[in-house]
Amino acid sequence: RKEVEQDPGPFNVPEGATVAFNCTYSNSASQSFFWYRQDCRKEPKLLMSVYSSGNEDGRFTAQLNRASQYISLLIRDSKLSDSATYLCVVNTGYSTLTFGKGTMLLVSP
Amino acid sequence: EADIYQTPRYLVIGTGKKITLECSQTMGHDKMYWYQQDPGMELHLIHYSYGVNSTEKGDLSSESTVSRIRTEHFPLTLESARPSHTSQYLCASSEAPQGPNSPLHFGNGTRLTVT
Repeated sequence: RKEVEQDPGPFNVPEGATVAFNCTYSNSASQSFFWYRQDCRKEPKLLMSVYSSGNEDGRFTAQLNRASQYISLLIRDSKLSDSATYLCVVNTGYSTLTFGKGTMLLVSP
Repeated sequence: EADIYQTPRYLVIGTGKKITLECSQTMGHDKMYWYQQDPGMELHLIHYSYGVNSTEKGDLSSESTVSRIRTEHFPLTLESARPSHTSQYLCASSEAPQGPNSPLHFGNGTRLTVT
C-alpha cells in the first residue's frame, strides 16, 4: 500500500460546480497534513494546511479524519483558474513529507 | 512569495558530464530538500538537510550527492549524467521543526535532459 493515495482523476467539472478530492494515508503517526496545488510544468505551491478540526479558506474546505486516516478537500463554486493538479501531502517521518500522485482538476466554461 | 531560487531553469547535456544544480534560499530556513518528479508522477524525496553540515538520503535512491556548507545554499551534483537522470528536480525549504505551520516552499525547478 502506498503511503499516500489519492483519487486518480482527472475530474472534469463545469464552472460553478462543487468538487471533492479524497486522500488516504497509511502512517497512523502522521501529524502534518497539507494540500498543495501544482500547475502544469510548475512547482507545487501550498494551498492550505489541514487541521484536526477542519478548516476553511474562502471556497476551499479541508477535513481530516484521523480514525479513518483520510483527508479531503472540497472546492465550491469552481473557477476556470482552479484547473490544476491537487497534491495531498503527509509527513511520514520526523523531517520528511510524502506527496501523493495528485488529482487533476479540469474546470470547463 | 517564497524566496527560493534554482538555476539553471532548463539544462540539456550529454551523457557522462558532471553537473551541479544550484538552490539558494533567503528565508534562513534550516531544512532544505531535493525532490525529483517525472511528468505526471509524484514527487520523490532524494536528499534533505537539517542544517549546515547535515545531509541525508531520501526515499528514492539517487546517484546524486548534495552538500550544505552554508544555510542558504544546497547544491545537488551528478558526477556522471545518464539519460535515466532526465527529470525535473525541485528544491524546497522549510522552517524547523516540521509541523502544521511549517510547510515546504519550492523553487521553480530545474528541468534536466540528458542526451
